[in-house]
Amino acid sequence: SAVISQKPSRDICQRGTSLTIQCQVDSQVTMMFWYRQQPGQSLTLIATANQGSEATYESGFVIDKFPISRPNLTFSTLTVSNMSPEDSSIYLCSVESLTRGNTEAFFGQGTRLTVV
Amino acid sequence: LAKTTQPISMDSYEGQEVNITCSHNNIATNDYITWYQQFPSQGPRFIIQGYKTKVTNEVASLFIPADRKSSTLSLPRVSLSDTAVYYCLVGGNYGQNFVFGPGTRLSVLP
Repeated sequence: SAVISQKPSRDICQRGTSLTIQCQVDSQVTMMFWYRQQPGQSLTLIATANQGSEATYESGFVIDKFPISRPNLTFSTLTVSNMSPEDSSIYLCSVESLTRGNTEAFFGQGTRLTVV
Repeated sequence: LAKTTQPISMDSYEGQEVNITCSHNNIATNDYITWYQQFPSQGPRFIIQGYKTKVTNEVASLFIPADRKSSTLSLPRVSLSDTAVYYCLVGGNYGQNFVFGPGTRLSVLP
């Protein structure tokens, strides 16, 4: 299993500013995933972050808008840059782990971002 | 990754058994089927995973027919605290990212 701590848990930001979200895992993991969940919607994968290489972004997400750092095997950050109200969402960090023979995804509590 | 289809919402009463069916017609040979539960203001939580036939754990059962084109999550004797969104995912191999469909919003009524 894996325990994930995300900070901040919530924030209200002015448009045009940037917010960096931190994700700390209690064990070393190869890949970390960043998701966005808009109000009332499902989760959408933003990018996959591997330690020592550039993050891989999904269609519709670009590095300039969502730069990601992965300095070591237990930590990652996601920055939401030049924010607009459309970026208001919950951002979730996730890792996968082989647990009891299953490949499970573990999630942080999420960061609830409101852009005003 | 295989696309999944599941009901948008379901209502049930406390003490009833709830069955949520998910369709995944183009599931690949090496894909697993995994279900997650999400409460408001929390990240999704793993419920159960299976490849074929039936899997049971302390929380739920997962029924998968021979053709694996669908699966059914069975929650026995639901309580109010089972009110949540339930996601069916196909894939689940280590190193493969998880693609979430729209999920099923289950409301358990007293």
